[in-house]
Amino acid sequence: EPEVTQTPSHQVTQMGQEVILRCVPISNHLYFYWYRQILGQKVEFLVSFYNNEISEKSEIFDDQFSVERPDGSNFTLKIRSTKLEDSAMYFCASRISGGVTDTQYFGPGTRLTVL
Amino acid sequence: AQSVSQHNHHVILSEAASLELGCNYSYGGTVNLFWYVQYPGQHLQLLLKYFSGDPLVKGIKGFEAEFIKSKFSFNLRKPSVQWSDTAEYFCAVNAFTGGGNKLTFGTGTQLKVEL
Repeated sequence: EPEVTQTPSHQVTQMGQEVILRCVPISNHLYFYWYRQILGQKVEFLVSFYNNEISEKSEIFDDQFSVERPDGSNFTLKIRSTKLEDSAMYFCASRISGGVTDTQYFGPGTRLTVL
Repeated sequence: AQSVSQHNHHVILSEAASLELGCNYSYGGTVNLFWYVQYPGQHLQLLLKYFSGDPLVKGIKGFEAEFIKSKFSFNLRKPSVQWSDTAEYFCAVNAFTGGGNKLTFGTGTQLKVEL
């Protein structure tokens, strides 16, 4: 069964550094998402992406964050200058279309630790 | 904006006990409802979903959930849990607000099933 994959599984970085989290959505999916989960807190929506542009973003997704689909398979989340509070598990998800009955499929997550 | 509440943060059960995890949402319009499960070290997996029709939905691994519109609830149930059900369970709602159909999650319930 096709799966969403994410790399790396764990990223450790120094505060102020840039990080890029990578996701490979399921191949025929068209809608892509990033969520994050700070330890002990709920999973929070960051951004959705369709047709090479952001379709919705949360207040968390400020100017330090950006997303890109650089080729036909990868979907990346960039944090320009990481802060301690960016430490979290970041989940990528994809869905096949915008239909109301479509399910979002999640990747295994990348644990980001900012020191 | 929509929100989701899960009232039980930690639940400990013995094998064969019955399970009910509470989930309430707040949103006045049409919603789709989901339960996701996250087994230790694994990614979020869909257990079941409700879009329309029969308010009692059956999912994988013997789980079911009942949508009660008047109570804004979507409680998860299983008549007899197994040790392998130890995991974190997340209720989520997808409200029709336009944009990218983001999911709003509850805080999760950590279920531990003891032998």
